[in-house]
Amino acid sequence: DGGITQSPKYLFRKEGQNVTLSCEQNLNHDAMYWYRQDPGQGLRLIYYSQIVNDFQKGDIAEGYSVSREKKESFPLTVTSAQKNPTAFYLCASSWNQKNIQYFGAGTRLSVL
Amino acid sequence: SQQGEEDPQALSIQEGENATMNCSYKTSINNLQWYRQNSGRGLVHLILIRSNEREKHSGRLRVTLDTSKKSSSLLITASRAADTASYFCATDSGANSKLTFGKGITLSVRP
Repeated sequence: DGGITQSPKYLFRKEGQNVTLSCEQNLNHDAMYWYRQDPGQGLRLIYYSQIVNDFQKGDIAEGYSVSREKKESFPLTVTSAQKNPTAFYLCASSWNQKNIQYFGAGTRLSVL
Repeated sequence: SQQGEEDPQALSIQEGENATMNCSYKTSINNLQWYRQNSGRGLVHLILIRSNEREKHSGRLRVTLDTSKKSSSLLITASRAADTASYFCATDSGANSKLTFGKGITLSVRP
């Protein structure tokens, strides 16, 4: 099946801990994105990448980091600097920035 | 920053009725898209309308775009309980721009 796979579905973070959310796509898309979704606030862009080994900050990048070493993979690390990490995280991909985005099923992150 | 803003924030209708949702935006766009999100899941693309198009249909969906008013509407005809979801508009505003999502409309269709 073609698509985007996010893992894990649920993740818990302890105080001071970094956690990494996985996002893999087999759609051969060039662009990949990470969004954060909080209740009543819609989707906010954290980071995006148009090509391997290149990525740009979105609107709320502070406390997050990403890498794009392979076309298929765009992992997101939520660092200890992110003081309010509890949210639903969505990964998406597209042929380029302007086209239709395809989303994974999301990872729900909570703080212990 | 939010480009698109949907209206109303929540909508509750009876099965079989039509549902109309609106999206307004501030700057000129290349295209506008509508997405659907079932509770706790990822978004699914519904339809894309380009800035030089005025109306587009896909099954029970009808989207209109009025660039002079900077607004779009999504009409779902003959709604079903399975249409219960959140609906988001997203705008693409130009070269090297990102897709910007609104806050979403929660649609409840009562059986």
